[in-house]
Amino acid sequence: NAGVTQTPKFQVLKTGQSMTLQCAQDMNHEYMSWYRQDPGMGLRLIHYSVGAGITDQGEVPNGYNVSRSTTEDFPLRLLSAAPSQTSVYFCASRRLAPYNEQFFGPGTRLTVL
Amino acid sequence: AQKVTQAQTEISVVEKEDVTLDCVYETRDTTYYLFWYKQPPSGELVFLIRRNSFDEQNEISGRYSWNFQKSTSSFNFTITASQVVDSAVYFCALSERQHNSGNEKLTFGTGTRLTIIP
Repeated sequence: NAGVTQTPKFQVLKTGQSMTLQCAQDMNHEYMSWYRQDPGMGLRLIHYSVGAGITDQGEVPNGYNVSRSTTEDFPLRLLSAAPSQTSVYFCASRRLAPYNEQFFGPGTRLTVL
Repeated sequence: AQKVTQAQTEISVVEKEDVTLDCVYETRDTTYYLFWYKQPPSGELVFLIRRNSFDEQNEISGRYSWNFQKSTSSFNFTITASQVVDSAVYFCALSERQHNSGNEKLTFGTGTRLTIIP
């Protein structure tokens, strides 16, 4: 099992550019989520999904879109990048039942100039 | 609203000393889960422990131990005989789940950076 994988590991964007952060898991987990990590703020939930075709907003969803067309993949899209979106992004997954902890990907470090 | 407080921003101890990382949480739910994650300098998040609100038994895993006290809403983490490899940022997290759905709000504390001095 590869677990949770994320690509790219590093990315530099210019303000206004768009891009998609990829996330995939091979554990057949129903639940997937995206977090951003900023200094001194812990991790904050951006969006999550409880299964293919179902997504919902987390704590800081503005500026981000997600979709879940398959169980395995949960991409995060930045439509028009802003410097405030400079952060480290983590994708995570877990099964729905029985409840367990979330498994995190290695992260993507994004810089928006 | 749920909240996790890790008041210790940074801690430094000399190798082989014991160290305790504090975690205090707030929740209105009677059913919740508490977690500790480790983030080493390489950046990944490593799961350490999960504890549900109905299980107040303390847990020991090697040099790691956790003390869960509902009366004080605390879930503290102790490393005994610390080693340089323990140097990392440690996050405490709280999950309130909506019953019969997958909706979950996992709230992280701001983390404690632990440095073990050789």
